[in-house]
Amino acid sequence: EVHLVESGGGLVQPGGSLRLSCAASGFTFSDYGLHWVRQAPGKGLEWVSTIGTVDDPYYSASVKGRFTISRENAKNSLFLQMDSLRAGDTAVYYCARGNLPWYFDVWGRGTLVTVSA
Amino acid sequence: SYVLTQPPSVSVAPGQTATITCGGLNIRSQSVHWFQQKSGQAPLLVVYDDTDRPSGIPERISGSSSGNTATLTISGVEAGDEADYYCQVWDSSGDQYVFGTGTKVTVL
Repeated sequence: EVHLVESGGGLVQPGGSLRLSCAASGFTFSDYGLHWVRQAPGKGLEWVSTIGTVDDPYYSASVKGRFTISRENAKNSLFLQMDSLRAGDTAVYYCARGNLPWYFDVWGRGTLVTVSA
Repeated sequence: SYVLTQPPSVSVAPGQTATITCGGLNIRSQSVHWFQQKSGQAPLLVVYDDTDRPSGIPERISGSSSGNTATLTISGVEAGDEADYYCQVWDSSGDQYVFGTGTKVTVL
């Protein structure tokens, strides 16, 4: 069975950094693009970042220049390095597997990031 | 950037049909995907590529698309269908994934 498990969330001060991880199992990790999607409290879904099978990254305008997505295929792991965090980055961050044509077919349960002084 | 507009809420009696719309410019030319999110849970893919269902999703959940509107239809609504529903597309002009604003389905 396919599983994605996020970790690394927590409370961080504005301007701080946090690194999220996503551990994958049940599929050939290197064959799939992977994504981060977030959801602020009481709000809708917002795409954050994508990394393809050849390490090509994409970012939303709201995080570009502050967040860095990466993957380690040997460890079936996805990461999101978040720097210069703002209050508006407070959200549950979901890891999701990508499929074609361009959708998210499996999601993790999410990890909560709270940016507050 | 590409915008997808959904009605904030839809209310439906058990056994009736819920219709959730997703409006976007010429959306018929896009592949539209739909997610169900129950309270406190992660989103679940229920329809992909306009009309296809992942394994395990019942046939009473279906998708369609025409012109500027994509539609998710839930027939024979059950209490367990109460959730938020989101549409999603890939905006190739902006190299970004776009979600709709979300629709809360309430079963009366």
